[in-house]
Parts: sequence; structure tokens; C-alpha cells
Amino acid sequence: DQQVKQNSPSLSVQEGRISILNCDYTNSMFDYFLWYKKYPAEGPTFLISISSIKDKNEDGRFTVFLNKSAKHLSLHIVPSQPGDSAVYFCAASAETSNTGKLIFGQGTTLQVKP
Amino acid sequence: EAQVTQNPRYLITVTGKKLTVTCSQNMNHEYMSWYRQDPGLGLRQIYYSMNVEVTDKGDVPEGYKVSRKEKRNFPLILESPSPNQTSLYFCASARQGTYTEAFFGQGTRLTVV
Repeated sequence: DQQVKQNSPSLSVQEGRISILNCDYTNSMFDYFLWYKKYPAEGPTFLISISSIKDKNEDGRFTVFLNKSAKHLSLHIVPSQPGDSAVYFCAASAETSNTGKLIFGQGTTLQVKP
Repeated sequence: EAQVTQNPRYLITVTGKKLTVTCSQNMNHEYMSWYRQDPGLGLRQIYYSMNVEVTDKGDVPEGYKVSRKEKRNFPLILESPSPNQTSLYFCASARQGTYTEAFFGQGTRLTVV
């Protein structure tokens, strides 16, 4: 059973607008959440993370929101740029397990149109 | 330049022919891991290693072996590859205490016919 789900396989937005990527999880033991970005023919690169003790983390144009009661997180990109076009993976971890194990979602392909 | 290097990038092989995918990192990271990416399933962990001579199974270890004899290298071994191991494989490394903010290699596209 998929513990981390990204229900939207793809998203298309206009340059300059907001992109919102969503992620749901089922395991209440997860206490650390991350977003990775992947370009074609490259490996994923770490983008932003959030601990379960917070509900928001911001880094430049990227903000991650965490709603623990709903077991939901989202990544907001404002403003979106064509270079943001990539596959975005949500991932979760139980840091207390100290294994570094990441559970990934299926990924959402973001296309930002000029 | 800090990087994780995988070889080969592309490989086509036949069922049952043993193969090794190499992974090397130059960041002196303690933690290394292998993932496979399949359509609709995201990335799933195969094996991980917390340090030299310390390895453990991930979510999908069947059909794979790993070794960690040196800190920088973490090869993935398929003793008898089968078509269901056709996938895109990623190696990752991270320093101790930040295991989840991993650096990934560029990937190895494996096809088993």
C-alpha cells in the first residue's frame, strides 16, 4: 500500500503564477517530509524539507506547508518559472528510526508555460 | 565537485547474466542507499548502508545484493537478473545526521531481456 501519495500525475501552470503540488501520507510515524525535484536524465535533487514540529517552511520562491491532522503537505512555488518544469517527488521519513529511509510518492510532473 | 557517480548509465542484459552497477561518492558520506524508480510507484529503497561493512535491506531487496567495503563505494549486484528488474536505478549518499537530504547519482537505466 502506498504510504505517500501524489494523486496528481501532472500539473500545468502559466509562468508567473503559483504552482501548488500536493502530497498525502498515511503513516502517523512520519516526522520529516521533503520535496525532491528531478529533471530528465538526472537524479533527484533535494529541494526543501519540513519537520513535523512545524507547519510551514519557506526558502525563496518555495514554501512547504504541513497539515498533520489531515496528513497532507503541499509545495507552493511563487512565482513559477519555466526552469521549474520538472518531476517533483514528495518523500517522508520517520527520523526517529535513524535509518535514513525515505518513502517517496509517485511524483508530479510540473510544466510551467512561458 | 561534490557528486555521486554511477556506472554504467545504460545497460541492456539478458536474463540470468550477473551484473554489477557501481556507485561512488566523493563527499566522505557515511550513508549510502540504492533506489529503483518505476512508473506509478515513485522511488523505492532497495538497500542502504549506514557505514563501512554495515548494510541493511530496504523495501524491495529481493534479487539484489550490496557490499560496502570502502566508504566511497556501494555497488549493487544482480546475481541473476530477471525482466522484472528492468528499471531506473539511483544511488544516493548523505552525511551522518542528515540522511534524508541525500545526494543522488544520475541514474542507471537497466533493461533485462
